[in-house]
Amino acid sequence: QSVLTQPPSASGTPGQRVTISCSGSTSNIGRTAVNWYQQLPGAAPKLLIYRNDRRPSGVPDRFSGSKSGTSASLAISGLQSEDAADYYCAAWDDSLNGPIWVFGGGTKLTVL
Amino acid sequence: QVQLQESGPGLVKPSETLSLTCAVSGGSVSSGTYFWSWIRQPPGQGLEWVGHFSYTGSTNYNPSLKSRASISLDTSKNQFSLKLNSISAADTAVYYCARGGTTTRDYWGQGTLVTVSS
Repeated sequence: QSVLTQPPSASGTPGQRVTISCSGSTSNIGRTAVNWYQQLPGAAPKLLIYRNDRRPSGVPDRFSGSKSGTSASLAISGLQSEDAADYYCAAWDDSLNGPIWVFGGGTKLTVL
Repeated sequence: QVQLQESGPGLVKPSETLSLTCAVSGGSVSSGTYFWSWIRQPPGQGLEWVGHFSYTGSTNYNPSLKSRASISLDTSKNQFSLKLNSISAADTAVYYCARGGTTTRDYWGQGTLVTVSS
């Protein structure tokens, strides 16, 4: 079981706005920043959002992130067919031995 | 721009030791407050953190690996490595190396598929 909880699937039609949630706890999301990744089939995860709401250069502003308490969300506006992918959230968790990197189980986004 | 590249055997026999290396360019493994990490992804499954070598000099591993993993840093070659012993079919996965940080963006390699089979 993943430390962070994501819905297994999400869907939307072209042009729609879709949100994907990520739930954690006070030892991870409640204490550290959240990253979001997009993984296309056969490819490595690509960083979409870091530090809750920052976009690396080259990531369209259709992608946005937010965090509140122990939960975070990824929003995709103006949905496009090429957005069909798996999306993962991640955060650092305070363990007894120091920070550990924890991930959500992933959300498969279907563009109808 | 930091870049990471994994290398290692694509096929390993059960019970043997898996050894992977991650070459880093565009930055030094001996500077900054980063966690030089390994993450893996079994076929059709999600991402699993394997462990990291911290900027503090300490290491930390996923407890699920039951002490089979070891990560080391080679500052002379600007790379870091993963060793995973007593491997089984359950260790078949794409292995990614990454530079992680709690306050900075991270960078990932392209990944390397490791298949465990006799």
